[in-house]
Amino acid sequence: QLQLQESGPRLVKSSETLSLTCSASRGSINSGTYYWAWIRQAPGKGLEYIGSVYYNGNAYYTPSLEGRVTISIDMSKNQFSLELRSVTAADTAIYYCARNENWFDPWGQGTLVTVSS
Amino acid sequence: EIVMTQSPATLSVSPGERVTLSCRASQSVSSDLAWYQQKPGQAPRLLIYRASIRATGIPGRFSGSGSGTEFTLTISSLQSEDFAVYYCQQYYQWPPLTFGGGTKVEIK
Repeated sequence: QLQLQESGPRLVKSSETLSLTCSASRGSINSGTYYWAWIRQAPGKGLEYIGSVYYNGNAYYTPSLEGRVTISIDMSKNQFSLELRSVTAADTAIYYCARNENWFDPWGQGTLVTVSS
Repeated sequence: EIVMTQSPATLSVSPGERVTLSCRASQSVSSDLAWYQQKPGQAPRLLIYRASIRATGIPGRFSGSGSGTEFTLTISSLQSEDFAVYYCQQYYQWPPLTFGGGTKVEIK
């Protein structure tokens, strides 16, 4: 069964770039069936969709983050990645990666990223 | 953007009770709706997709219904492990995929 694991710095300075990678195991991300997504959850808040990437590299983003976000895919490494630029304290959240077949399943365990001033 | 609204925000329930959670869409999403369960410190888990189809391994006490703009998640007899936050999510029109604000089911 596919497993996903997020990795990357847990602390990012304000105005800098948040970079995370999602590594897949026990399955391949090289599939035309699924998208691969990032979702975040601010402390004590609900779920916010960030965006999704297809196996061919086409990516779609939530409008509120478009312009600051890039999601990319590296099938040779069985990974996909998130870059969020010019971060502020409002970007402090748990960041989840997930397989996206319209719905999200499975999810990674999530990683808390804190933006510091 | 389709806005998803869940009610109530919090539900206080005793074990064994039947629970009904509501999710409303700002426009029709047909049956393109999923439900998730999130326990403290854990990632969300898919419960239901296409409004009424249980995901693999989900117990039969969970059921989903509805179409268009009104949806319901029912837990027929609440177990101790079911105390959690529940989210709905539409995938009819995206980007963006959108979630409801969640309903917390707590012990009465």
